[in-house]
Amino acid sequence: GNSVTQMEGPVTLSEEAFLTINCTYTATGYPSLFWYVQYPGEGLQLLLKATKADDKGSNKGFEATYRKETTSFHLEKGSVQVSDSAVYFCALSGSAGGTSYGKLTFGQGTILTVHP
Amino acid sequence: KAGVTQTPRYLIKTRGQQVTLSCSPISGHRSVSWYQQTPGQGLQFLFEYFSETQRNKGNFPGRFSGRQFSNSRSEMNVSTLELGDSALYLCASSSERQGARYFGPGTRLTVT
Repeated sequence: GNSVTQMEGPVTLSEEAFLTINCTYTATGYPSLFWYVQYPGEGLQLLLKATKADDKGSNKGFEATYRKETTSFHLEKGSVQVSDSAVYFCALSGSAGGTSYGKLTFGQGTILTVHP
Repeated sequence: KAGVTQTPRYLIKTRGQQVTLSCSPISGHRSVSWYQQTPGQGLQFLFEYFSETQRNKGNFPGRFSGRQFSNSRSEMNVSTLELGDSALYLCASSSERQGARYFGPGTRLTVT
């Protein structure tokens, strides 16, 4: 079945540091890929998405590129802020015709803490 | 557009009882899916409904069930509650089955 693996956390950075959170996946067909963010006590917020190979999703300074050759979708941000402290989840949505169509498969989440 | 709403936000139940959670999707969205979030297991898929039909189901016992109404609102039911059912239950809606999912704030269920 489909699976998503995120880098081990937690990640602790100083404000204005560069952020990378690694995400790799295993899936058949052509899944769509997503990054979600969860703040304490809240649900998941969609951060960005990519639906086909070489697509780059971007939002609020965060970027991720859908790399089919390396089955990766790493999240990056050039300069993090204290307000970026949250849990980040990489996820994939199975492609049409597969048993995972219609469901999201999530990575285990990465806790990011940014200090002033 | 209003976001996904879930009611109630918090719930405390006793083992053996049953519970019903409600989800109202974003207007126009026909796909509603449910996820369970726990510290130990992370985010796990429960089921997905599209146009009132269950289209996909996760690996959960039959005590977990759901349905979708003609206005796309959805409910999930858990019968014979166990301590291990304590979790945050998240509902998500999307306009298509492979599209971006938009999540509600969740229902925090505590089973004592």
